[in-house]
Amino acid sequence: DVQLVESGGGLVQPGRSLRLSCAASGFPSGDYAVTWVRQAPGEGLEWVGYIRSEAKGGTAEYGAPVKDRFRISRDDSKSVAYLHMSSLKIEDTGVYYCSIEDIWGQGTKVTVSS
Amino acid sequence: EIVLTQFPATLSLSPGERATLSCRATQSVSDNYIAWYQQKPGQSPRLLIYGASSRATGIPDRFSGSGSGTDFTLTVSRLEPEDFAMYYCQQYDRSQITFGQGTRLDIK
Repeated sequence: DVQLVESGGGLVQPGRSLRLSCAASGFPSGDYAVTWVRQAPGEGLEWVGYIRSEAKGGTAEYGAPVKDRFRISRDDSKSVAYLHMSSLKIEDTGVYYCSIEDIWGQGTKVTVSS
Repeated sequence: EIVLTQFPATLSLSPGERATLSCRATQSVSDNYIAWYQQKPGQSPRLLIYGASSRATGIPDRFSGSGSGTDFTLTVSRLEPEDFAMYYCQQYDRSQITFGQGTRLDIK
């Protein structure tokens, strides 16, 4: 089956770091960009960033609220992409989704609280 | 950054009726890089339309997208009970991707 599975969410204190994973299966994920989108409780969708395929340079772009704090990387040998989050703020709380083309994961919940 | 405004914020209709959802951009979206997503409570978003008017795989033909420049529309020709959900437009024209704030489609 074609699927994406996120993991790594949890409760973390403000200022700390967390790494989310997005594992792909059933298709050659290395050929595609991986996008991260988040959703705060009761709110709409917010684009976090994406990483291009290695064939297109493997570079990443980020939304303004997370730029300089978040970093996306990928390990195509494992079919996994990562969202490295640092200096976390309370407003980073939400469900984090990864997506590739029209495939979305189920999301992983991040709660930033003291 | 391109800001997307969706309207109405809430649309209350009955099954069988036609729904028209709008999305307006603050700048022209080149090559119509607009997508529409449906999201139901507790679920991940589902891609409906990309390139402003192309249906994603498996999407029923009662869903259609149109528009160009700064004004885009998602139309559901005859609402089915399962169509009542949140809908978001997204632009992916620039390296900074943005979403609209969403339209809630409610059962009247």
